Amino acid sequence: QKEVEQDPGPLSVPEGAIVSLNCTYSNSAFQYFMWYRQYSRKGPELLMYTYSSGNKEDGRFTAQVDKSSKYISLFIRDSQPSDSATYLCAPGGDSSYKLIFGSGTRLLVRP
Amino acid sequence: NAGVTQTPKFQVLKTGQSMTLQCAQDMNHNSMYWYRQDPGMGLRLIYYSASEGTTDKGEVPNGYNVSRLNKREFSLRLESAAPSQTSVYFCASTRTDNYEQYFGPGTRLTVT
Repeated sequence: QKEVEQDPGPLSVPEGAIVSLNCTYSNSAFQYFMWYRQYSRKGPELLMYTYSSGNKEDGRFTAQVDKSSKYISLFIRDSQPSDSATYLCAPGGDSSYKLIFGSGTRLLVRP
Repeated sequence: NAGVTQTPKFQVLKTGQSMTLQCAQDMNHNSMYWYRQDPGMGLRLIYYSASEGTTDKGEVPNGYNVSRLNKREFSLRLESAAPSQTSVYFCASTRTDNYEQYFGPGTRLTVT
């Protein structure tokens, strides 16, 4: 079993839809839960992150963590074509300062 | 600030050739990382350096060596390239006390 599992997609939605991207993880020591966005042929860029359980909102983006079920979610409201990218979840926090990356979910927002 | 820079952007090598990938950051970060990204595999950690003067193996270190030249620079060397090392290589950096890793633009390496 991989430490972090993420559905590769692709996920295709119409513009304006609410998007839900998810990951599961196995290491209960993780405390930080990062989300990166990666456009084609570019480096990953940090989108947002949460610490421990709970929600965090930043504009149209909401990150959610349920540590009891080891489940990480990223919601995108009012999705735009510019949101078309690969989204990678990356938990960390087992004292090593390393992140463990999911394989990424490719999102396509159709105009 | 340029952030994290990587050179070269593209490289084609023949099997058995050697090369060094360069990475530099201007954010005064202590920790630096090298990853490779392959289709369907996500980002896999090759080596990392928690601070100047230290390096440690990651998930996939075989066939690679690293040098933390100073606080700003962290290089990755392929001594004898193999086709299995065809990949996109990313360098990242972060402060020691958090997990916000910032990535460079990547180096696309093809080994024939």
